[in-house]
Amino acid sequence: EAGVTQFPSHSVIEKGQTVTLRCDPISGHDNLYWYRRVMGKEIKFLLHFVKESKQDESGMPNNRFLAERTGGTYSTLKVQPAELEDSGVYFCASSLSWDRDRQYFGPGTRLTVT
Amino acid sequence: KQEVTQIPAALSVPEGENLVLNCSFTDSAIYNLQWFRQDPGKGLTSLLLIQSSQREQTSGRLNASLDKSSGRSTLYIAASQPGDSATYLCAVRGRDDKIIFGKGTRLHILP
Repeated sequence: EAGVTQFPSHSVIEKGQTVTLRCDPISGHDNLYWYRRVMGKEIKFLLHFVKESKQDESGMPNNRFLAERTGGTYSTLKVQPAELEDSGVYFCASSLSWDRDRQYFGPGTRLTVT
Repeated sequence: KQEVTQIPAALSVPEGENLVLNCSFTDSAIYNLQWFRQDPGKGLTSLLLIQSSQREQTSGRLNASLDKSSGRSTLYIAASQPGDSATYLCAVRGRDDKIIFGKGTRLHILP
């Protein structure tokens, strides 16, 4: 069974540009989560989808971040326009609806904003 | 506001030694606590999950304890091996269902 996949693995963009990160959860996992780790800080929750609906987006830093999960399958996280402080590693995780304790994490996308 | 602290931030020990990683949290009203492992360039792998009603969990050479009242957890690794080298993260799930992570402990096992 394929795990959670994320694309790209690494992205380098200039300040002011737009970047879109993609996450493909494990098939059948209704729950999808986005997390972020900024250099020197702990991993922090960004938002949680249940199928295509946003269950909790309280961790989203500001309105430059937009997450979507059309059709309840893969999800995208768009940053527009990117700022220097957006640099970090963005993790995606997914879980089954009946076993939310078991979140399976993807390898992350390392975003560098210059 | 829940805060999770992990001590030490980094640790190097010779192969074969037993070791303990520490985790503390400020709010004892947790739902569960997990220990994760992260290898460079990889995602997080859940090692042990302790529910709030439990005191410890064991998996192979790993043993995790939970003292909710004092806000502490330890991860004990027996007979360490070079393959144990990784970053170990402690995370708690609160009643609001959010997972709060510590910054992690970078462990290096010396061959």
